Amino acid sequence: DSGVTQTPKHLITATGQRVTLRCSPRSGDLSVYWYQQSLDQGLQFLIQYYNGEERAKGNILERFSAQQFPDLHSELNLSSLELGDSALYFCASSKTGELFFGEGSRLTVL
Amino acid sequence: DQQVKQNSPSLSVQEGRISILNCDYTNSMFDYFLWYKKYPAEGPTFLISISSIKDKNEDGRFTVFLNKSAKHLSLHIVPSQPGDSAVYFCAALLSGTYKYIFGTGTRLKVLA
Repeated sequence: DSGVTQTPKHLITATGQRVTLRCSPRSGDLSVYWYQQSLDQGLQFLIQYYNGEERAKGNILERFSAQQFPDLHSELNLSSLELGDSALYFCASSKTGELFFGEGSRLTVL
Repeated sequence: DQQVKQNSPSLSVQEGRISILNCDYTNSMFDYFLWYKKYPAEGPTFLISISSIKDKNEDGRFTVFLNKSAKHLSLHIVPSQPGDSAVYFCAALLSGTYKYIFGTGTRLKVLA
C-alpha cells in the first residue's frame, strides 16, 4: 500500500461526457502528479501540483484540467470525452525524489 | 518525441539467472533516474534510483548502472525470482523541473 488513494477505481461513461477523478496523496506529501497510461503505452505525464499551485505541465489536453485543494487532495477533470481518452489514470505523490503511485482509475469511454 | 526509451517490450529469464533491463534517453538535462515495477491492477512501485553524479547504485538484488556518455541505464536483477515477473518502467527527472518522464516499459517474465 503506497498510501496514495484514487477514486473511482473503474469508470465507464459515454463520449461527450465529463468525469472527475480524485486523488488523496500520502500523508505529508505536498506534490501531486497525474499520469495517463493508454493501452501498451508508457506513463504520459499530464500535470503536477505542489501545495495547491501548478508546478509543471506535460501533454495535457485542453479538455482536461486539474486542481489541488487546501487539504492537498487533487482532482483531474476530463470533459468532452472521446474514445481515445480511455486509459488508466494514475496519481502519484512525492516529498523528495521518488514518486509513490496510487492504484489508478480505469476510464472506459464508450 | 519519446525522450526515454525502453526498446525491449519483453524479456524472459530463467529463475536464478540475471535479468538485465535497458533504458536509453536522449535529453542530457536529465539528472535523476528511477526504476519502477508494476504488477497488473496495481500502480507502479518504486524500486531503485540513481543520481547523475553516480554510475552505480545497489539495493539487495537490484543494481542500476548509469552510463552518461552513452545516455544509457540498466537495471540488473540477480538472482531473478518468479515474483519479479512484472512490467518495469525507467523514468528520468528533467533537471530543474518536476517532470518525471517515463519509458514505455519492459515486461519481464521469470520462468521457474
